[in-house]
Amino acid sequence: AQSVTQLGSHVSVSEGALVLLRCNYSSSVPPYLFWYVQYPNQGLQLLLKYTTGATLVKGINGFEAEFKKSETSFHLTKPSAHMSDAAEYFCAVGNNAGNMLTFGGGTRLMVKP
Amino acid sequence: DAGVTQSPTHLIKTRGQQVTLRCSPISGHKSVSWYQQVLGQGPQFIFQYYEKEERGRGNFPDRFSARQFPNYSSELNVNALLLGDSALYLCASSVRDSNYEQYFGPGTRLTVT
Repeated sequence: AQSVTQLGSHVSVSEGALVLLRCNYSSSVPPYLFWYVQYPNQGLQLLLKYTTGATLVKGINGFEAEFKKSETSFHLTKPSAHMSDAAEYFCAVGNNAGNMLTFGGGTRLMVKP
Repeated sequence: DAGVTQSPTHLIKTRGQQVTLRCSPISGHKSVSWYQQVLGQGPQFIFQYYEKEERGRGNFPDRFSARQFPNYSSELNVNALLLGDSALYLCASSVRDSNYEQYFGPGTRLTVT
């Protein structure tokens, strides 16, 4: 069975500060990993994904994530937070069949002016 | 191009009633998946349909059912509604059944009273 743990249900940063959202996963097979963002009253938007290859993955809006197999982690970072980054962020792992995502509980990012 | 569309946006039902939610995938996408997102939690996988066949099912009771039509649109049905069924129901589409790149719709907010 696969699972995802997101450390910190709420993270608050100042505008311009580094954003770090933590994600640890459990998977019995080589993982496919994703970060999604959800703005209020909206669906999920894919930020970035790791399937194979380079372990540092760049996504939209300046976000990136690094797959670390030894740490079973896939943390999301952005060098400088913007007010528009305030949203809920979800880490997810895909199953081997490629037809199901298991999500973490989410991290709400707040950006202070 | 239009994204994934879902209807209705919101609805309110009474315990014991039945509800049908609708989803239209992105043009060219043949796979539709359904997720339930309870307030404050990450989405949970309910079903995946591809080419009108069920390809995956999450840990949900038989009160939940779905189908996919020849035009690849989909319906999710929930019978004998419980208060705990109150949630945001998300539909996601992808090109094929084993494609991790899922595109989410805005969701249907179901409230059971």
